[in-house]
Amino acid sequence: AQKVTQAQTEISVVEKEDVTLDCVYETRDTTYYLFWYKQPPSGELVFLIRRNSFDEQNEISGRYSWNFQKSTSSFNFTITASQVVDSAVYFCALSEEQGWDTDKLIFGTGTRLQVFP
Amino acid sequence: DGGITQSPKYLFRKEGQNVTLSCEQNLNHDAMYWYRQDPGQGLRLIYYSQIVNDFQKGDIAEGYSVSREKKESFPLTVTSAQKNPTAFYLCASSSGTHNSPLHFGNGTRLTVT
Repeated sequence: AQKVTQAQTEISVVEKEDVTLDCVYETRDTTYYLFWYKQPPSGELVFLIRRNSFDEQNEISGRYSWNFQKSTSSFNFTITASQVVDSAVYFCALSEEQGWDTDKLIFGTGTRLQVFP
Repeated sequence: DGGITQSPKYLFRKEGQNVTLSCEQNLNHDAMYWYRQDPGQGLRLIYYSQIVNDFQKGDIAEGYSVSREKKESFPLTVTSAQKNPTAFYLCASSSGTHNSPLHFGNGTRLTVT
């Protein structure tokens, strides 16, 4: 069965610190997609990244970077030089490519990140 | 600006009453979704619709109903049969292309007393 585990419930850092949010997934499928979303206090989830199972290259976007390792079934998210505006709940999610339901996402329980000035 | 509008932001109801949450999108997306968010439990899928006049149950559909009469609209009714309706409800849409990212609304916080 599909499952996404975000073991870190809450993380607190001081501004300018680097922080890594962990995501471990379970799936029996060989083709799947992984996502990260950010939920600021306003409530809506904001899409950050999508990665398919055949692309293990790490991705960097400004202060954000993602480390995908199939060997450990992990898709970790690092924020470099954190800022107060990074304070939010971050969700990791998984979808499998199988027929009609390929847009169904399985979400982790989220990690609340608090960045203090 | 294109986006998803959920209304109202806060909703209060008495136990035993049905209540309908609105979700409208102007992104021309084919697929729409309803998720429920509870503290410490992440997001769970209630219903989804890939095309107009068709929808499927998600993981926690009991006590909920939906309709998809128009591409732009996907209202969710929380019925009196839902045993624990107090939660944060999020509507989302996607283009329908496999594994395309979801776009979310700002959510409706429903409190039932």
